[in-house]
Amino acid sequence: GAGVSQTPSNKVTEKGKYVELRCDPISGHTALYWYRQSLGQGPEFLIYFQGTGAADDSGLPNDRFFAVRPEGSVSTLKIQRTERGDSAVYLCASRSTGNMNTEAFFGQGTRLTVV
Amino acid sequence: DAKTTQPPSMDCAEGRAANLPCNHSTISGNEYVYWYRQIHSQGPQYIIHGLKNNETNEMASLIITEDRKSSTLILPHATLRDTAVYYCIAYNNAGNMLTFGGGTRLMVKP
Repeated sequence: GAGVSQTPSNKVTEKGKYVELRCDPISGHTALYWYRQSLGQGPEFLIYFQGTGAADDSGLPNDRFFAVRPEGSVSTLKIQRTERGDSAVYLCASRSTGNMNTEAFFGQGTRLTVV
Repeated sequence: DAKTTQPPSMDCAEGRAANLPCNHSTISGNEYVYWYRQIHSQGPQYIIHGLKNNETNEMASLIITEDRKSSTLILPHATLRDTAVYYCIAYNNAGNMLTFGGGTRLMVKP
């Protein structure tokens, strides 16, 4: 596809369960970002990948959150022992870093609800 | 990234120009001003960015003051579909990520 794709679009899980959220970036984009957005707030940075490596994971709230990008394209955000406070929209963005200051393209997000 | 300050909400009449201000008084010389918008239930969408000069594209114009401490995003003929939250971000490539503030909720009214 032409844009950033995120699956699933909606996920409902029970408290304490494990979830995986997937992001397919734009082909060829080396930079990939995960953000979390709570209702009425701006997106909050979680983690940034440059290629396969996590270049900045300072936004991950705790060790229940983990993300991988093993082949430098698709990324998976993993949340262990989910809590009700993890309910939010999780956004993924990708950017080509071939040029300075290129724009980031966002997916439609995954709405996670922990019940 | 420099902190930006935006009014929390604005109204605009359909067909009129929408002028959205942003203060970034601590912006550094290598930080660009980026604007994104987010329509309800969608991911943020890139609008425009600039460093020092005014910029225009098919969506909007960006006016940056000479001292670069503030900027204005201009939607020349606002439509109902421009109702969204607009985010102003000061960003440099070394910072790696975009830091979003609260944005301005623009309501375009008939």
